[in-house]
Amino acid sequence: AQSVTQPDARVTVSEGASLQLRCKYSSSGTPYLFWYVQYPRQGLQLLLKYYSGDPVVQGVNGFEAEFSKSNSSFHLRKASVHWSDSAVYFCVLSPSNYNVLYFGSGTKLTVEP
Amino acid sequence: EAAVTQSPRSKVAVTGGKVTLSCHQTNNHDYMYWYRQDTGHGLRLIHYSYVADSTEKGDIPDGYKASRPSQENFSLILELASLSQTAVYFCASSGTEGAETLYFGSGTRLTVL
Repeated sequence: AQSVTQPDARVTVSEGASLQLRCKYSSSGTPYLFWYVQYPRQGLQLLLKYYSGDPVVQGVNGFEAEFSKSNSSFHLRKASVHWSDSAVYFCVLSPSNYNVLYFGSGTKLTVEP
Repeated sequence: EAAVTQSPRSKVAVTGGKVTLSCHQTNNHDYMYWYRQDTGHGLRLIHYSYVADSTEKGDIPDGYKASRPSQENFSLILELASLSQTAVYFCASSGTEGAETLYFGSGTRLTVL
């Protein structure tokens, strides 16, 4: 069975602080993993993706994520957040057929000035 | 530029009424999807299609029908709308590269009274 768990529904950080959003997954095979961001009243946009190779992947706007097979995790990080990063972030898993996606419940990030 | 357009942007329907949500893509993508988003939940897959005139059930298909009359168009149909179907609905399209080429519409906010 495929599933994605984002344990933190809401995260609040100060502008300029570092960020980690957690994601745990369950997959019967080697999954494809993604992070998407949803800005207010918009659709979802791809931040980054992991298929294989280097477990640390770089994305847009300074985001990166680290894949850990032993921990079944794919946490999102950013060294210094900006107020414009306030949004909802979704961790997404795709099994081997990679055209059916499983979404986590999302983490709402609020960046305080 | 790749685009997925949903209509209407919002809709209020009465319980037991018929509702049709429309989606149009100009990405020349084979795959199209309908997702439902509820507060506190990630996106859940209702129906998807990988070719015109064919649809597949997703994780939560009960109470919904889908129609793919052409590569560009994908509709979601609620024959007998219910209160529990109040949600935001997202359409998406993707190419054969799966989530790497996934584009979302801006969503349709459906309220069933």
